[in-house]
Amino acid sequence: GAGVSQSPRYKVAKRGQDVALRCDPISGHVSLFWYQQALGQGPEFLTYFQNEAQLDKSGLPSDRFFAERPEGSVSTLKIQRTQQEDSAVYLCASSPQGYTEAFFGQGTRLTVV
Amino acid sequence: EDQVTQSPEALRLQEGESSSLNCSYTVSGLRGLFWYRQDPGKGPEFLFTLYSAGEEKEKERLKATLTKKESFLHITAPKPEDSATYLCAVPDSSASKIIFGSGTRLSIRP
Repeated sequence: GAGVSQSPRYKVAKRGQDVALRCDPISGHVSLFWYQQALGQGPEFLTYFQNEAQLDKSGLPSDRFFAERPEGSVSTLKIQRTQQEDSAVYLCASSPQGYTEAFFGQGTRLTVV
Repeated sequence: EDQVTQSPEALRLQEGESSSLNCSYTVSGLRGLFWYRQDPGKGPEFLFTLYSAGEEKEKERLKATLTKKESFLHITAPKPEDSATYLCAVPDSSASKIIFGSGTRLSIRP
């Protein structure tokens, strides 16, 4: 497809369950970002990849959060032992290189019950 | 501390009533300022990048301007379809992440 694709669009998880969120960036985009967005707030940075290298993971809120991009294209954000405070929209974005304009996917809305 | 602040938080306008949204930033060595539009239930949609003070970009009824301390998004004769949240973002001082403001929720009444 032409844009950034995220799946699933919606995920309901029971507290303590592990979840995996997928991001397919725009083909050829080197940089990939994950953000977390709470209701009524701007996106908060989680992590940044350049190709397969994770250059910055300073925004990951705890060691329950893990992201990977093994072949430099598709990325997965994994959350282990989900908690209620993990409920948010998780956004993925890609850009051709570095911090030029980034293009976002539709997001995955995670609800932990 | 690197920061992006947007005002107002919410703005309600009548169709055709022009206004401006503000984005002020504190970051060392600006490497670009981005404006995005976000509709409910969707990801942010890229609008503009500005790189230097005095630069202006236009798209339909929107015009973005940049000074050394802030950016404005001017909306001229808005229509109901311009209703959305407008987000401003900048790379942080270490250029390791893009930081966003909380956005301005714009509502245009017919």
